[in-house]
Amino acid sequence: GAGVSQSPSNKVTEKGKDVELRCDPISGHTALYWYRQSLGQGLEFLIYFQGNSAPDKSGLPSDRFSAERTGGSVSTLTIQRTQQEDSAVYLCASSSARGTEAFFGQGTRLTVV
Amino acid sequence: AQSVTQLDSHVSVSEGTPVLLRCNYSSSYSPSLFWYVQHPNKGLQLLLKYTSAATLVKGINGFEAEFKKSETSFHLTKPSAHMSDAAEYFCVVSYTGTASKLTFGTGTRLQVTL
Repeated sequence: GAGVSQSPSNKVTEKGKDVELRCDPISGHTALYWYRQSLGQGLEFLIYFQGNSAPDKSGLPSDRFSAERTGGSVSTLTIQRTQQEDSAVYLCASSSARGTEAFFGQGTRLTVV
Repeated sequence: AQSVTQLDSHVSVSEGTPVLLRCNYSSSYSPSLFWYVQHPNKGLQLLLKYTSAATLVKGINGFEAEFKKSETSFHLTKPSAHMSDAAEYFCVVSYTGTASKLTFGTGTRLQVTL
C-alpha cells in the first residue's frame, strides 16, 4: 500500500476484555515495529519483527501483550484482559530490510473504560 | 543503553522568527539520529535523518539539523517559523544502523504565535 495502515483508528473497550489491533505495513517492507504513546510515558518501543520472527520483544509490558506477523506482512497486536493503564495510542511502523527510516501509521487510540 | 534528551518540553516563537529545538544523545560509536514531527491527531512524519554522511542535514519544510559529535548534540533549526510548524517534535536515536528499536525523546511542543 501507499503507507502504513492501522485499524481500527479508535477502540473503546471495557476493562477485562481482549482487543486486537491490526497493522498493514508498506508493501515490501520486511521490518515492522510496534510502539505505544501514552501520557507521561512518551513513546515506548514494544516489539520488532523481521519477516515473521520477532528478534526483539523486550518492550512488551506484560504477558497480557502479544503480537504476531503472518506472511511477512500484516501484524496483529493482542492485549488480553485489558486494564485502564493500557489506554494509549498504539503506533505501527515499517521499514525496508536495510532501511534507516521507519514509516509510521496513524495509530490506534485505545481507551479502556 | 541508548538515550536521547530533549532539553525543552515547550518552545514558543513568533511567526517569522528562528526556531531552535535542542537534542542531546548518549554517546555511541555510530548513532543514527532522526527528527520526527507529529501534528495534532496525526501520525509521525520524518523531518530529517543523520546516518554518518554529511553532518549538516537538510529536511522537509525548511528544517535542518547539525550533528555535533563533540557536543553529542543534534539540534533542529529553522530560519523562519510558520504557523503550520506548530506541532510536537521528537528527537530519535538508533544505534543499530537500521530503523529497529528507535529510542524517542520526550518531545518538544512548538507553539508559533502571530
